Amino acid sequence: AQSVTQPDIHITVSEGASLELRCNYSYGATPYLFWYVQSPGQGLQLLLKYFSGDTLVQGIKGFEAEFKRSQSSFNLRKPSVHWSDAAEYFCAVGETSGSRLTFGEGTQLTVNP
Amino acid sequence: NAGVTQTPKFRILKIGQSMTLQCTQDMNHNYMYWYRQDPGMGLKLIYYSVGAGITDKGEVPNGYNVSRSTTEDFPLRLELAAPSQTSVYFCASIPSGGTNTGELFFGEGSRLTVL
Repeated sequence: AQSVTQPDIHITVSEGASLELRCNYSYGATPYLFWYVQSPGQGLQLLLKYFSGDTLVQGIKGFEAEFKRSQSSFNLRKPSVHWSDAAEYFCAVGETSGSRLTFGEGTQLTVNP
Repeated sequence: NAGVTQTPKFRILKIGQSMTLQCTQDMNHNYMYWYRQDPGMGLKLIYYSVGAGITDKGEVPNGYNVSRSTTEDFPLRLELAAPSQTSVYFCASIPSGGTNTGELFFGEGSRLTVL
């Protein structure tokens, strides 16, 4: 069965600092990987996704993620965090682009001024 | 397009009551999903549907039922509400076939409290 682990429940960074959110997955074949962001009281919004090809994918709001098959990881990065990035971030894995997604438990990001 | 619309946004139920969470989408998506989100637990799949007349259980289906009589609507029913069903519920959809980019479209959620 597929699974996702986000080791960091809560991360605090200063505005302007760099950010890396960790995601490890378990899946037998080539996974479809996603990062979603959830602002308070809102639904989830897709930041970026990886299906195949270039292992470094670019997303919205200046985020990027790198797929590393050898480490079963899909970490999310941003060079310079803005206060508006404070939110909860979810990594997810699926079998195909249209299948049921399995979500990680989320990482809450706090941005200090 | 309105996207995915969920109603109600908030509801308080007493133990043993029943209710239906409504979900409708106007994007002609074939696949629809119901997730629940508990604090610190991420999203867990309750039920999903790949098209009208077809539904299947997800990871945590107990205590819930769904139906899919039309492409647009995917209601979630709680028959005998229990405190363990206190959660935020999200409906989501995704197209099938060539228009599928992998992106789930989420509603804004329905916060349910069972007392």
